[in-house]
Amino acid sequence: DAGVIQSPRHEVTEMGQEVTLRCKPISGHNSLFWYRQTMMRGLELLIYFNNNVPIDDSGMPEDRFSAKMPNASFSTLKIQPSEPRDSAVYFCASSPDRGLETQYFGPGTRLLVL
Amino acid sequence: GENVEQHPSTLSVQEGDSAVIKCTYSDSASNYFPWYKQELGKGPQLIIDIRSNVGEKKDQRIAVTLNKTAKHFSLHITETQPEDSAVYFCAASNSQGAQKLVFGQGTRLTINP
Repeated sequence: DAGVIQSPRHEVTEMGQEVTLRCKPISGHNSLFWYRQTMMRGLELLIYFNNNVPIDDSGMPEDRFSAKMPNASFSTLKIQPSEPRDSAVYFCASSPDRGLETQYFGPGTRLLVL
Repeated sequence: GENVEQHPSTLSVQEGDSAVIKCTYSDSASNYFPWYKQELGKGPQLIIDIRSNVGEKKDQRIAVTLNKTAKHFSLHITETQPEDSAVYFCAASNSQGAQKLVFGQGTRLTINP
């Protein structure tokens, strides 16, 4: 099993640009999570999907952030327009079932907004 | 909502000694408590978890204890090795409620040879 796949691994962009992060969950997993990790705030859950449907997006910081899951094998997290304070490592994780909390994390995307 | 506090933020131990990391949680309805290990440049990886119907769980050199009355749980690593050096996160969730993991702030563990 390839595990959770995220791309790109690193992204450097300028303030105001659109950023799209991509995630491929483990095949057969029904839940997908997007997290943001910073030194100041630690690991924060942004949004999670179950069976491709967004269940809880209360962690999405503001309207500049949006996430989609068009099918069971792909999800995107978009920031438009990006700001320097969005600089962080963004992780995608997947879980076999909504009732099972074991989450498998991807390697993350390190985002730097200049 | 749930709040998880983790201590200490950094921990340095001699190789072969034991390391203990402690977490407290606020929501008495939480019933699942995993521990994750994050190595440099990688995502967190689950190393052990415990559910509220047991008080202790062990897997080789790693053990976790849970005190539901006091609302705290701990990670114990015995006979530490250099490869144990990493950042460790505790988390808590309520499988009957929001089913979201709330993470502690992390502990940077350094094993000195």
